[in-house]
Amino acid sequence: DVKVTQSSRYLVKRTGEKVFLECVQDMDHENMFWYRQDPGLGLRLIYFSYDVKMKEKGDIPEGYSVSREKKERFSLILESASTNQTSMYLCASSFIATGTQYFGPGTRLTVL
Amino acid sequence: AQSVTQLDSQVPVFEEAPVELRCNYSSSVSVYLFWYVQYPNQGLQLLLKYLSGSTLVESINGFEAEFNKSQTSFHLRKPSVHISDTAEYFCAVTDGGSNYKLTFGKGTLLTVNP
Repeated sequence: DVKVTQSSRYLVKRTGEKVFLECVQDMDHENMFWYRQDPGLGLRLIYFSYDVKMKEKGDIPEGYSVSREKKERFSLILESASTNQTSMYLCASSFIATGTQYFGPGTRLTVL
Repeated sequence: AQSVTQLDSQVPVFEEAPVELRCNYSSSVSVYLFWYVQYPNQGLQLLLKYLSGSTLVESINGFEAEFNKSQTSFHLRKPSVHISDTAEYFCAVTDGGSNYKLTFGKGTLLTVNP
């Protein structure tokens, strides 16, 4: 079975802090994705990566950056957290030539 | 560009009743279609997908969806729901571009009442 793990299920941070969310997949997938999920807005793509050190902006990249130094690991970075970044963050991965994405359990981030 | 519209944000039903969750998409090219399910406090799980071939696809837990190209729809149905089907359901589409990046609908919350 494909496994996508995220470093924390719940996280509470203060405004202005630097926040790292980590995601690891064990299926040798080329693609990895970061989404945020908010009530009534569904899933919105923040960034995705199709290879090590390669990244592409999604629909809402402002305020976020990403890092992919190893194929299995994709990190989302909030350089200076703000209250409007309070959300559920979901990581996913997939093979490059299929649409089937496999999701982690999510990290619920609260910024106070 | 492609988009997905899930016509109902919430669908309440009674246990053992049939249900249909509607999904329409817009795309100028051939597409692949997916339904994902999210149970409370969990990530998304793939429920079923249409890639090619038979337009009717089924999941292992009794859901089915039919790809209708002329109506650009991919509605999800189940003839008899259980309380355990209570979850949020997301429809998604890709045209294979941008490394098969998915576009998701906003979700439909299915609530099954006893």
